[in-house]
Amino acid sequence: EVQLVESGGGLVKPGGSLRLSCAASGFTFSSHSLNWVRQTPGKGLEWVSSISSSSSYIFYADSVKGRFTISRDNAKNSLFLQMNSLRAEDTAVYYCARSYYDTTGSNKLDYWGQGTLVTVSS
Amino acid sequence: DIQMTQSPSSLSASVGDRVSITCRASQSITIYLNWYQQKPGKAPHLLISAASSLQSGVPSRFSGSGSGTDFTLTISSLQPEDFATYYCQQSYSNPPTFGQGTKVEIK
Repeated sequence: EVQLVESGGGLVKPGGSLRLSCAASGFTFSSHSLNWVRQTPGKGLEWVSSISSSSSYIFYADSVKGRFTISRDNAKNSLFLQMNSLRAEDTAVYYCARSYYDTTGSNKLDYWGQGTLVTVSS
Repeated sequence: DIQMTQSPSSLSASVGDRVSITCRASQSITIYLNWYQQKPGKAPHLLISAASSLQSGVPSRFSGSGSGTDFTLTISSLQPEDFATYYCQQSYSNPPTFGQGTKVEIK
């Protein structure tokens, strides 16, 4: 059974830092790209960042570029998101999600973790 | 970035009703459109990929159609467990973008 379990969320002051983790199991971790997606009540679902299976390709949303860093450890089946210079608008539930490319070339987010809440407030 | 616009934002329907949700992309995304269902307090769950490909385990009352810029998610006979929020998402180009969601409520 595929499982993704996020951790590391919490309350942090504006300008602070937080590191999210996502522990994966039940699939060949090193074969899949992974993503961070966040959700706020006001803005719905927002893709944050993605990393390819070997970390060769990394992408960020403009809203977090230069402040967030995605990384992975294939030996430990773990995904990370280092978040620096946090702002109030980064407050959200953060999900990790697995990418799956099917025969059509379509990239779907086929498994999601339960999410971890990040609150940025003084 | 490609903008995804869903309509309606919410709808009220009864068990057994046929329900359709539309999603429009700001430019052609061919068939690279996914649909997700989300229930309160839970993560999104993938229903349909590549516009019309039903995921394993998803009931056949769900179907997707469309290509280019206009897409539709249809629930042929609404069941109590289908009351949720539905999101479309394009995977044609980076960044992946989501529609604002359609909340399906009980009438």
